[in-house]
Amino acid sequence: KQEVTQIPAALSVPEGENLVLNCSFTDSAIYNLQWFRQDPGKGLTSLLLIQSSQREQTSGRLNASLDKSSGRSTLYIAASQPGDSATYLCALYGSGNTGKLIFGQGTTLQVKP
Amino acid sequence: DTEVTQTPKHLVMGMTNKKSLKCEQHMGHRAMYWYKQKAKKPPELMFVYSYEKLSINESVPSRFSPECPNSSLLNLHLHALQPEDSALYLCASRVRDKDFRSPLHFGNGTRLTVT
Repeated sequence: KQEVTQIPAALSVPEGENLVLNCSFTDSAIYNLQWFRQDPGKGLTSLLLIQSSQREQTSGRLNASLDKSSGRSTLYIAASQPGDSATYLCALYGSGNTGKLIFGQGTTLQVKP
Repeated sequence: DTEVTQTPKHLVMGMTNKKSLKCEQHMGHRAMYWYKQKAKKPPELMFVYSYEKLSINESVPSRFSPECPNSSLLNLHLHALQPEDSALYLCASRVRDKDFRSPLHFGNGTRLTVT
């Protein structure tokens, strides 16, 4: 059974720091992996989608990588800003399931001015 | 701004009330989803509609009744809910179900409180 884990559950950094959020999964047979951002009380905003054949995707200050062999994805945030404070969720579609998106528990990021 | 619009933003209802949540998208997506999210937890899938037909029901109690009147609209009818049903209800859409090249787009959700 596919399991998705995000560690740490919470992270606090000073403004301007480069940081990495981690997402690990137990089964490398996946179709894709998507990173989302969620602000308190709001819906999920899609940040980056990586296909299983890709190694990384970039959007602005964000870079997501995917290493299926090690069961890991990372979200790199460059020059963090207080506006980056939110909960970040990774989610994937595994090829062994019925098309159900499997979420990690999320990492809550606080960027202090 | 999200391209998936959910109304209302907040809803308070008693256990004997009947209410509906509404979701709308105009991106031409043919797959639409209802998720339920409790505080500090990831979203949990409730229903999947593909080409206006219900394709997945994740063993959701019958007090939740989904409806997809057309390809742009998705409703969730609520009746005789329990306080533990209080949560953020999220709608999502994508180009087609199991089109893994396309991302899932979420709305901002309806915050439901059952008293």
